[in-house]
Amino acid sequence: NAGVTQTPKFQVLKTGQSMTLQCAQDMNHEYMSWYRQDPGMGLRLIHYSVGAGITDQGEVPNGYNVSRSTTEDFPLRLLSAAPSQTSVYFCASSPGQDNQPQHFGDGTRLSIL
Amino acid sequence: GENVEQHPSTLSVQEGDSAVIKCTYSDSASNYFPWYKQELGKGPQLIIDIRSNVGEKKDQRIAVTLNKTAKHFSLHITETQPEDSAVYFCASGWGKSTFGDGTTLTVKP
Repeated sequence: NAGVTQTPKFQVLKTGQSMTLQCAQDMNHEYMSWYRQDPGMGLRLIHYSVGAGITDQGEVPNGYNVSRSTTEDFPLRLLSAAPSQTSVYFCASSPGQDNQPQHFGDGTRLSIL
Repeated sequence: GENVEQHPSTLSVQEGDSAVIKCTYSDSASNYFPWYKQELGKGPQLIIDIRSNVGEKKDQRIAVTLNKTAKHFSLHITETQPEDSAVYFCASGWGKSTFGDGTTLTVKP
């Protein structure tokens, strides 16, 4: 049981490049979320999904796209990378039931030059 | 939307002492409050949670208290050990939580 797996672990991009951060979970969880973590700012919600085919925006969605074609996978796409998107990105999943905690991956550390 | 404030941002204690981290939330409808521990280079991991129908919950050296009237909840760690050194986050909600800004706890041997 791998839990939540994020790839890649590290990535350096140039301004304007695009890329996709991968997230997969093997716990059959309905809910999946993407957060970004910046120094001193905790985790901020980018996008989330309550099930396959359903996504919605979080607190800081601009510059990011998501899709959820399967229960297991929830990729995050940066369309045109900007230095302000330099951050650590975490994917999380949780069961589709009230009051259950989230399970986090170990993050993708992204630098935009 | 929900707003969660966490204090202090840094906390240093001697091994064996207790540590307390406090959080307040703004949405009176919130009913689930998890606490996560994040070690260097890793994702946050749940250490304890509390639901709104409970005032206190304990798990060995860790306890969480909730005051719904005042809209605040606290994490208490007793008999701290060096391996408790990490960043701790409080949060409100499930599925798509709102997080505090984190507390860096250092336990000095």
